[in-house]
Amino acid sequence: GENVEQHPSTLSVQEGDSAVIKCTYSDSASNYFPWYKQELGKRPQLIIDIRSNVGEKKDQRIAVTLNKTAKHFSLHITETQPEDSAVYFCATHNAGNMLTFGGGTRLMVKP
Amino acid sequence: DAGVIQSPRHEVTEMGQEVTLRCKPISGHDYLFWYRQTMMRGLELLIYFNNNVPIDDSGMPEDRFSAKMPNASFSTLKIQPSEPRDSAVYFCASSRERDNEQFFGPGTRLTVL
Repeated sequence: GENVEQHPSTLSVQEGDSAVIKCTYSDSASNYFPWYKQELGKRPQLIIDIRSNVGEKKDQRIAVTLNKTAKHFSLHITETQPEDSAVYFCATHNAGNMLTFGGGTRLMVKP
Repeated sequence: DAGVIQSPRHEVTEMGQEVTLRCKPISGHDYLFWYRQTMMRGLELLIYFNNNVPIDDSGMPEDRFSAKMPNASFSTLKIQPSEPRDSAVYFCASSRERDNEQFFGPGTRLTVL
């Protein structure tokens, strides 16, 4: 089955700095790559997604890049703010019709 | 829309007891998913339904777990008998299409003593 590796597991940045989280996957048939943000005690919520026919997508301070050849995709957060502190999950949707999540990255933004 | 609704929000039970978790998906969503989240194993897909039909239950840990979706607006996840290792947060999610955004419910925090 699909294997999704996410790095780093924890990330601490200073407010205003950028944060980058990377994921690799194994199933070349994967075609949909969402990123979810989960605040402490809350539900995961989609923040951005990208499909296999697009290499990069941006939404304000958040951007995602996809390299299908290398089977990796990344989340970029610029000008980080304390409210960006949360656990971020990457995921892939493959031909098996299942969403497989990475292990999560705990992002801490220090004011 | 109220979003995905789950009940109860918290459940504390003793080992051996039956536990039933409930979910109401967003109206119009054809896909419903049950996930389990633990520190050790992260977010795991247990089972998903399409148009009320179970499609893939390969993530269900063992026969003690069962899930049903009797109609488009209601699903249950049952654990019988429950064990301490079942303690986790169980999320229900729904989506309109197979590979579109999944909307998660608030989760049920299950503690089995």
